[in-house]
Amino acid sequence: DAKTTQPNSMESNEEEPVHLPCNHSTISGTDYIHWYRQLPSQGPEYVIHGLTSNVNNRMASLAIAEDRKSSTLILHRATLRDAAVYYCILRDWSGGGADGLTFGKGTHLIIQP
Amino acid sequence: DSGVTQTPKHLITATGQRVTLRCSPRSGDLSVYWYQQSLDQGLQFLIQYYNGEERAKGNILERFSAQQFPDLHSELNLSSLELGDSALYFCASSVEPYPTGWSMFFGEGSRLTVL
Repeated sequence: DAKTTQPNSMESNEEEPVHLPCNHSTISGTDYIHWYRQLPSQGPEYVIHGLTSNVNNRMASLAIAEDRKSSTLILHRATLRDAAVYYCILRDWSGGGADGLTFGKGTHLIIQP
Repeated sequence: DSGVTQTPKHLITATGQRVTLRCSPRSGDLSVYWYQQSLDQGLQFLIQYYNGEERAKGNILERFSAQQFPDLHSELNLSSLELGDSALYFCASSVEPYPTGWSMFFGEGSRLTVL
């Protein structure tokens, strides 16, 4: 699987927008971009995914660069509950190789009240 | 609540012992995945089953094995336990075998402590 690079940690204030970057310069044309988050003492939770176009859902927005070599997860109005580790993951839709998602270290998001 | 149920939530055992972790996927999901998360490492993919058949293997040790039963629940068997096997073990499920455009749903994990 192609690799992703994320900052180790980020800090933001409550009720402000948060932009979490992810670099994936070796992304292939068949890679989906997935974001998951893991709250303390819980299992990972799906946030959003996309292929080429920007995506919105009730939790977040995903902005994908035109060349697809980077993406940004946007939390429009952070709450204390959004403090978590956020993982950016690529997954080849053609299904080659192992089918488990490969999680890196992720970004530890700290929200200040 | 993700709909994925894992038991037991906590387990304490001794080195050399064998344990079984159980996972019930979300209703309708045919794929089950097992992950290991220890303090010094991220989430490590262990193994995947789809509709009863092994689909993919990750970093699973030979001392570990898993299976998926006809009712789609899965068990992860860990034997000859070592101190380093202490970790959180997560089960996840998804509708299809290839979690590309489809999201995976994770359980709350089973925390294994080997003394």
